[in-house]
Amino acid sequence: GQQLNQSPQSMFIQEGEDVSMNCTSSSIFNTWLWYKQDPGEGPVLLIALYKAGELTSNGRLTAQFGITRKDSFLNISASIPSDVGIYFCAGQLGGSARQLTFGSGTQLTVLP
Amino acid sequence: KAGVTQTPRYLIKTRGQQVTLSCSPISGHRSVSWYQQTPGQGLQFLFEYFSETQRNKGNFPGRFSGRQFSNSRSEMNVSTLELGDSALYLCASSLGPGEKLFFGSGTQLSVL
Repeated sequence: GQQLNQSPQSMFIQEGEDVSMNCTSSSIFNTWLWYKQDPGEGPVLLIALYKAGELTSNGRLTAQFGITRKDSFLNISASIPSDVGIYFCAGQLGGSARQLTFGSGTQLTVLP
Repeated sequence: KAGVTQTPRYLIKTRGQQVTLSCSPISGHRSVSWYQQTPGQGLQFLFEYFSETQRNKGNFPGRFSGRQFSNSRSEMNVSTLELGDSALYLCASSLGPGEKLFFGSGTQLSVL
C-alpha cells in the first residue's frame, strides 16, 4: 500500500518557538489532512488541503499542499504548552476512508 | 453539536473472548469508519460503512466484523480475541464517503 514518511518522529522545543514538520510520499494524493491527537483521545482535524500549492492557516497553524502532490508540511508558530501532542498527516487519494493513509506521527513536547 | 461518541472507553478481556464496540456518529453524518491504532503499526483502516452497507474493508482477519444501523450508529465485533488485538479502536464519522473524518475518543481494548 501507499506509505507516508512523516518527520521528525519527535521534537522538543521551547515555548514560543516555531515548529515545522512534514510528510512525503512516493505516490500522489488529492487531499492532505493534518490531525492532532492528545493522550487517550482520538485525532482532531486541524487543517484540510484540497489543491496542489494550497496554503491554509488555522490560527497559529499553517499547512501547505506540495506542488508535486506528494508532500505537505505543517508549521506551528509561537508554540504554547497546549500544543503538546502527536501530530499526524494523512493523504487521501479517492472518495473512501480506505484510501486515507496516515503518517506515523510527530510527537511534540513544548518545554516551559 | 455532539461529537462522535464511542462506548465503552476502556475494556479488559481475556484471550478467546469476543467484544462489541459501539459508535454513535455526529448527527447528520451517514458514513462511519473504524481504525485500529497501535504504537507499532499506527492507524490502520478496518471498515467503512455508508447507508448500512460496508463499502470497504481493510486487511484484517474475518474475526473483525462490523455493521451499521439505520440511524447510522455502528458496532464492530472482534471474536476469539488475541493478545495482539490490544489497541485503541477509533471510530470516525463523516457526512459521506470521502468527506472529512471526525474521530471519537476511542475504545482502549486490553486483551490479557
